[in-house]
Amino acid sequence: DGGITQSPKYLFRKEGQNVTLSCEQNLNHDAMYWYRQDPGQGLRLIYYSQIVNDFQKGDIAEGYSVSREKKESFPLTVTSAQKNPTAFYLCASSIKWRDTEAFFGQGTRLTVV
Amino acid sequence: GENVEQHPSTLSVQEGDSAVIKCTYSDSASNYFPWYKQELGKGPQLIIDIRSNVGEKKDQRIAVTLNKTAKHFSLHITETQPEDSAVYFCAASGGGGATNKLIFGTGTLLAVQP
Repeated sequence: DGGITQSPKYLFRKEGQNVTLSCEQNLNHDAMYWYRQDPGQGLRLIYYSQIVNDFQKGDIAEGYSVSREKKESFPLTVTSAQKNPTAFYLCASSIKWRDTEAFFGQGTRLTVV
Repeated sequence: GENVEQHPSTLSVQEGDSAVIKCTYSDSASNYFPWYKQELGKGPQLIIDIRSNVGEKKDQRIAVTLNKTAKHFSLHITETQPEDSAVYFCAASGGGGATNKLIFGTGTLLAVQP
């Protein structure tokens, strides 16, 4: 089955620790994205990658980092510099950068304890 | 950059009635307008999309209309059913400039009362 997989589904982190969220797709899509979802604020873009070995900051990149070493993988690291990391994180991919359907994973709910 | 506003934030309808969700966008160069449905605890899924060269698109009980002059687009769901209850997001992309990002509205929580 083709799709986009995020893991884990739930993640707990102690304050001051970095944590990495996994995102893998087997759709052969060039573009991948990370969004953060908070109640009442919709989806806000953290980072995006148009092609392997390239990525750009989105609207709320502070306190986050990414890598795109492989076409199918786009992991997101939430660093201790992120002031309010508790949120629902969504990864997406699309066949190309422009004007095409984005396919979303099932999300990772990160809670800082 | 692009800004997308979505209304209403919550919508409650009786089963069988119609539901309409409206979005406005700011960048006149935007040319792709998808609508996503998100069920509780899951990722959003595309339900319908429209491009700027089309004024209306329909898929069974779901339709989307686009008014480029006014820069707004709407989602219409007819004969609503309880399984239509979810959060719906509009989005816009294709605007000018180097960054062609998909910008989302803030979502509409639709509740269909049986």
